[in-house]
Amino acid sequence: DAKTTQPPSMDCAEGRAANLPCNHSTISGNEYVYWYRQIHSQGPQYIIHGLKNNETNEMASLIITEDRKSSTLILPHATLRDTAVYYCIVRARSNDYKLSFGAGTTVTVRA
Amino acid sequence: GAGVSQTPSNKVTEKGKYVELRCDPISGHTALYWYRQSLGQGPEFLIYFQGTGAADDSGLPNDRFFAVRPEGSVSTLKIQRTERGDSAVYLCASSDRTGSPGANVLTFGAGSRLTVL
Repeated sequence: DAKTTQPPSMDCAEGRAANLPCNHSTISGNEYVYWYRQIHSQGPQYIIHGLKNNETNEMASLIITEDRKSSTLILPHATLRDTAVYYCIVRARSNDYKLSFGAGTTVTVRA
Repeated sequence: GAGVSQTPSNKVTEKGKYVELRCDPISGHTALYWYRQSLGQGPEFLIYFQGTGAADDSGLPNDRFFAVRPEGSVSTLKIQRTERGDSAVYLCASSDRTGSPGANVLTFGAGSRLTVL
């Protein structure tokens, strides 16, 4: 699976949008972009995934560039409960059971 | 159940002892996964079950680690002759492996924290 690069940490103001970048310049055509997050003392939680098109669900939006070499996870209105480590993962459909977590981005939402 | 349940939530043992960690997946989920997370790092894949069989155990670090899922639901991760380096949070996840392509969403439990003294 392709490697991803994320900033180690970022702060966000409560109520504002949080934009989390992820680079995956070696992504191949059959690989999906997944986002999970891990709140302290909990297991990782699925947020969203996409292949080519932008995606939106009740938790977040995923914007994937046209060349697919990078993506941005958007939390539209961050709350204190969104403080967590956010993991961007690229995974091939054929290898869809094995998530390769990197170090992720530690997001701190401040009041 | 409503979520993935793992027991015990905390386990403290002495070096050289045997440990079992249990995972109850979401009812009906055919796929089950074990991951291990050391302090300050992301989770690392250990083993994946599809039904009763281990489809991929390539992440198990050595032969002291073994996992079973005899009836295709509950799974037990077994660690023999524990070492201090085995201290970590052991995470279990399950999925139903259905849905659109690429949509294999894993639901994780809260983990079992193992401390080897």
